[in-house]
Amino acid sequence: AQKITQTQPGMFVQEKEAVTLDCTYDTSDQSYGLFWYKQPSSGEMIFLIYQGSYDEQNATEGRYSLNFQKARKSANLVISASQLGDSAMYFCAMRGVYDKVIFGPGTSLSVIP
Amino acid sequence: DGGITQSPKYLFRKEGQNVTLSCEQNLNHDAMYWYRQDPGQGLRLIYYSQIVNDFQKGDIAEGYSVSREKKESFPLTVTSAQKNPTAFYLCASSVNRDYSNQPQHFGDGTRLSIL
Repeated sequence: AQKITQTQPGMFVQEKEAVTLDCTYDTSDQSYGLFWYKQPSSGEMIFLIYQGSYDEQNATEGRYSLNFQKARKSANLVISASQLGDSAMYFCAMRGVYDKVIFGPGTSLSVIP
Repeated sequence: DGGITQSPKYLFRKEGQNVTLSCEQNLNHDAMYWYRQDPGQGLRLIYYSQIVNDFQKGDIAEGYSVSREKKESFPLTVTSAQKNPTAFYLCASSVNRDYSNQPQHFGDGTRLSIL
């Protein structure tokens, strides 16, 4: 069975500092994709970054990067130079074969001025 | 603009009543999904569909039903068998597995409450 674990229910970071949000996953699929989404208090889901299981390089999108360690089944999100607008819930998600997509429980990030 | 439309935004259910949440997309996506989100929690998969006239149960399908008669539409019915339906419901869609690096697109959600 597929499973996503996010062990940090809540995180605080000082503005302009970097922060790492943890994500570990479990799957028996050989081919899968990993996604990170941001959910502000308004409830919308905002796609941040994607990493494929066969990608050899870590994905980067602006201030977001993904620290992908396949052997450890981890896909941590790194946000550099945190901004006040980064305060939100962050969800790690995995897409396996047959298009099933599951989400982790999320991490609440608060950026402190 | 292409996107996903969920309606209604707020819905109230009486005891013993079935209610249906609408989800329509004009993105020409093959796959569609329904998730339930409880306060402060993650998204739990209820049902998903890869193609028209086919769908699979997710992790919490009990008390829910779906249909996929058209590519654009994936309505979710919350039946009276679902004893704790109060939650935020999100519908999503994505292209098929041939483009597995493409993210899901989400609707704005429906908040369901018990009267």
